[in-house]
Amino acid sequence: TQLLEQSPQFLSIQEGENLTVYCNSSSVFSSLQWYRQEPGEGPVLLVTVVTGGEVKKLKRLTFQFGDARKDSSLHITAAQPGDTGLYLCAPEFQPGGSEKLVFGKGTKLTVNP
Amino acid sequence: KAGVTQTPRYLIKTRGQQVTLSCSPISGHRSVSWYQQTPGQGLQFLFEYFSETQRNKGNFPGRFSGRQFSNSRSEMNVSTLELGDSALYLCASSGGARETQYFGPGTRLLVL
Repeated sequence: TQLLEQSPQFLSIQEGENLTVYCNSSSVFSSLQWYRQEPGEGPVLLVTVVTGGEVKKLKRLTFQFGDARKDSSLHITAAQPGDTGLYLCAPEFQPGGSEKLVFGKGTKLTVNP
Repeated sequence: KAGVTQTPRYLIKTRGQQVTLSCSPISGHRSVSWYQQTPGQGLQFLFEYFSETQRNKGNFPGRFSGRQFSNSRSEMNVSTLELGDSALYLCASSGGARETQYFGPGTRLLVL
């Protein structure tokens, strides 16, 4: 089972600030996914990173996959209250895969107006 | 296209009882996975069903079981409930070229 550690566990910032959250492992992943979960809802997929060193941008969110494909980061520029939620990383879901799918415990982000 | 639906949304049970949760996947999706989410352990994989067959299973005791029907709807059952089973139970269906997972809103179970 591939274990993922996410940091920080909690983050509370003011609107307009920048932030970075991390997802680390000792294992190599073929691909990683980031999800955001809002209170009372299920996680929603934000992005899948596949290639080592890859950078993907989604509006104010920038995702990076480490060169060694063991870690990933999410950077948010000029955070807004709508960015509030739990950010989760996980190996890309492989239907019927032999590896047990394990999510990181997440970073709970609060953006205060 | 309607999303993944889960019923009920909230449930209160007492220790020793059993519970059945239901999940209706997105139309056309044949894979349904179940997860347990708690503040301490995070999101943990329970099992995955495809075409009425369980094809992957997480590390949970046998009290946790599931099934899938011919229309891809799925149910999970927890027998002999324990206090530690209190959690948000999430269902996800997957389909499309990359088998992207789409999660439902979850069923929040409280065991007293």
